[in-house]
Amino acid sequence: SQQGEEDPQALSIQEGENATMNCSYKTSINNLQWYRQNSGRGLVHLILIRSNEREKHSGRLRVTLDTSKKSSSLLITASRAADTASYFCATRSGGSNYKLTFGKGTLLTVNP
Amino acid sequence: DSGVTQTPKHLITATGQRVTLRCSPRSGDLSVYWYQQSLDQGLQFLIQYYNGEERAKGNILERFSAQQFPDLHSELNLSSLELGDSALYFCASSVEYIEGARSTEAFFGQGTRLTVV
Repeated sequence: SQQGEEDPQALSIQEGENATMNCSYKTSINNLQWYRQNSGRGLVHLILIRSNEREKHSGRLRVTLDTSKKSSSLLITASRAADTASYFCATRSGGSNYKLTFGKGTLLTVNP
Repeated sequence: DSGVTQTPKHLITATGQRVTLRCSPRSGDLSVYWYQQSLDQGLQFLIQYYNGEERAKGNILERFSAQQFPDLHSELNLSSLELGDSALYFCASSVEYIEGARSTEAFFGQGTRLTVV
C-alpha cells in the first residue's frame, strides 16, 4: 500500500509559473523526501525534510512539512520546461522500519 | 550518474521463465532497495537488504526472491514469470546505520525494463 499520496495527479503550467505539489501520508515519519523522475528513468533525490523541520529550501525548491496534518508540499518557483517530470514524495518511518515508501507521483508538465 | 548500476537495462522473456536482475550499489552504501514500477501500480517497494541481511519486506510475490552478497551487490530473482510482471525494476542504495538508523536519501539506478511476452 502507498504511504504517501500526491496531489494533484497531473499539473500543467507555463514556463515561469510556480508549481505546487502536495503529499499526504498516513503514519508518523522520521523524514519525508521528494524525488523527481524523468520519463522511464531512475528517480533522483531532490530534498529531504526531517520530522522536526517545518520548511526547507534548495535552489528553486521549497518544501514544507506539517506533521500535525501529515502533509507536505513541494513548490518549484520560476518553472522551466526542463522541470517537466514526475515528482514523488517518499516517507521513511522511524524505529526498525527501514522502508522508504513512495506515493504515486504528480506528473508536472511545463509548457514553453 | 547516481553510482548505482543495474544490469541488464532491458530484458524480454517468455511467460514461465526465470530471470535475474543485478544491482551494484554506490561505493560505501550498505543498504539496497528493490522497487517495481508499473503504470497501474506505481512505485511498489519490494524488499530491502542491509549489509547482507533482509531488513524490510514489501509487496514482493513468493515467486520473487532477492539476496545481497558479501560484496554488497544484490540480485532480484523473478520466476514463473507472468505477463503482469512486465514493469520497470529499480534498485536503490543508501547509507544506513543499525543503531538509531540515520536515514539519508536513496540513490536510484536507471532500472531494468522487463517485458514478459
